[in-house]
Amino acid sequence: DQQVKQNSPSLSVQEGRISILNCDYTNSMFDYFLWYKKYPAEGPTFLISISSIKDKNEDGRFTVFLNKSAKHLSLHIVPSQPGDSAVYFCAASARPNFGNEKLTFGTGTRLTIIP
Amino acid sequence: SAVISQKPSRDICQRGTSLTIQCQVDSQVTMMFWYRQQPGQSLTLIATANQGSEATYESGFVIDKFPISRPNLTFSTLTVSNMSPEDSSIYLCSVEEYRSTNYGYTFGSGTRLTVV
Repeated sequence: DQQVKQNSPSLSVQEGRISILNCDYTNSMFDYFLWYKKYPAEGPTFLISISSIKDKNEDGRFTVFLNKSAKHLSLHIVPSQPGDSAVYFCAASARPNFGNEKLTFGTGTRLTIIP
Repeated sequence: SAVISQKPSRDICQRGTSLTIQCQVDSQVTMMFWYRQQPGQSLTLIATANQGSEATYESGFVIDKFPISRPNLTFSTLTVSNMSPEDSSIYLCSVEEYRSTNYGYTFGSGTRLTVV
């Protein structure tokens, strides 16, 4: 049972345009969501997160939007740069206590930025 | 953010043998996490390692197959025992990370294991 789903295995975007990566979840207990970027032969790199008490969080070129009623979140990258080409993972957790929470990951979306 | 050194980066092992993966963090952390990423799959949590106590394993993972040590607040090992080709995966350790407005987890660079 895949509780976190990234339905697009790949996405290609022109350099300078907006990249939008989508993620859907089924577990209503999830209340904290994270995005990771992964290059080949490296571990995932934490990008940005959002708590369920918010619907938007920004950090530089990265913005995450959360729609709780739809159980959907998205990562926007503006403007897209060639170095953004990587696999992006969405992850979710249910945090009754702060910290020490299991992350459930999606299967990833491979983003390719076209120069 | 924390810097995690994970060794070995890759290995090719014979069926039936065991491999121990080491994870060293440059700061003291309470919890360390071990994940597995099978080919074409997402990351799956194997266990959570707390210093001074037994690791907590997720459903489908057992201590006999994946024994974990956590001797201090900066170091942990994961052993993949009695390996079979199905154990071929990337294994990653992870710790919590805090930023000004974000809270997440930092990962090591991973160990790519191939069992032949």
